Amino acid sequence: EAQVTQNPRYLITVTGKKLTVTCSQNMNHEYMSWYRQDPGLGLRQIYYSMNVEVTDKGDVPEGYKVSRKEKRNFPLILESPSPNQTSLYFCASRGLTGQPQHFGDGTRLSIL
Amino acid sequence: QKEVEQNSGPLSVPEGAIASLNCTYSDRGSQSFFWYRQYSGKSPELIMFIYSNGDKEDGRFTAQLNKASQYVSLLIRDSQPSDSATYLCAVDNAGNNRKLIWGLGTSLAVNP
Repeated sequence: EAQVTQNPRYLITVTGKKLTVTCSQNMNHEYMSWYRQDPGLGLRQIYYSMNVEVTDKGDVPEGYKVSRKEKRNFPLILESPSPNQTSLYFCASRGLTGQPQHFGDGTRLSIL
Repeated sequence: QKEVEQNSGPLSVPEGAIASLNCTYSDRGSQSFFWYRQYSGKSPELIMFIYSNGDKEDGRFTAQLNKASQYVSLLIRDSQPSDSATYLCAVDNAGNNRKLIWGLGTSLAVNP
């Protein structure tokens, strides 16, 4: 089954404690993205990757890092999380130009 | 700034009626258009995509595209309470072919 898998689904943590949200896709897609979604603000792209070792900032990259060492994986790293990063996060992947985007199930992140 | 605009709603329709959701976009070069459905706290789910002017039908859903007027719409026939969700319009960024520009979504409530 074609899917995007992200983990964990839920995480409660404290300010400053480094965390990683993993994302993996099995569709051999080149393009992968991370989004955060907040009430009234919609989906905002954090980072994206066009291919292995090629990443770039999206619209709200501050406080986040990513890496793309393998085509299937695109982890999101919060080196020093802060409460304003409490949000619902989605990983997504996309194949050829014009094809739809596939989303993971989301990660609900709460930072106290 | 490339934008996608949707009426936030809520749009309320009785069960069995036709729900009409609209989206306008600013990038005249956009070629691919997508409608996603999102239930509260869940990930966006692809409903329809359309590339050419005119109508595209899939079951109870019809997507309509008018590139000259820069709008795309989604019609839901025989609306069901299970259609109650937020509907997101997404448009390809003509300058960066993999990035989607997202509207904030229209909330639809189908009343039994």
